[in-house]
Amino acid sequence: RKEVEQDPGPFNVPEGATVAFNCTYSNSASQSFFWYRQDCRKEPKLLMSVYSSGNEDGRFTAQLNRASQYISLLIRDSKLSDSATYLCAVNLMDTGRRALTFGSGTRLQVQP
Amino acid sequence: DAGVIQSPRHEVTEMGQEVTLRCKPISGHNSLFWYRQTMMRGLELLIYFNNNVPIDDSGMPEDRFSAKMPNASFSTLKIQPSEPRDSAVYFCASSLGDTSNEKLFFGSGTQLSVL
Repeated sequence: RKEVEQDPGPFNVPEGATVAFNCTYSNSASQSFFWYRQDCRKEPKLLMSVYSSGNEDGRFTAQLNRASQYISLLIRDSKLSDSATYLCAVNLMDTGRRALTFGSGTRLQVQP
Repeated sequence: DAGVIQSPRHEVTEMGQEVTLRCKPISGHNSLFWYRQTMMRGLELLIYFNNNVPIDDSGMPEDRFSAKMPNASFSTLKIQPSEPRDSAVYFCASSLGDTSNEKLFFGSGTQLSVL
């Protein structure tokens, strides 16, 4: 089992749709969670941190479910410009490792 | 503010040659990370430094790979000798501190092709 796992997609949705991605992680002791966005042939860029109580930034909502060991990203009112790959990142905290482990990403394609 | 700066942007080399990738982190950041991204394996951590000291190099594939950080503003990743399976995008990233809550800022990456 991968340490951080995502559905690769692609998710093809029409403009205006609501879409959600999940990301599961292997270590229950994991402390920090993030969502990054990566455009084609570009570097990953931080989209948002994920807090225990859940958090929202405009059309984006991130949630953490510690019991089931996953985080989620919800995008409301999808725009064409949301088309990208969304990477989750987790600090797994195992064997003292403090760097982020990334999922392979979920590709989103928003269609007109 | 300048972000993380990597060079070169693209590198094409022949198998067996030495390759050196360079990175300048964001000024004031004291953690630096080297990641490699391929279609098959995604984004993998190779090594990370805190205050110029290597903390975790468990992701370095083998002895052909080495990384240094001689000072707070410069790091190199060297592959010697290079092999076709090393072809990937190599990203450098930096963060402000060394805690698990710190956000990573990535450079634009080096696209490496080993023929």
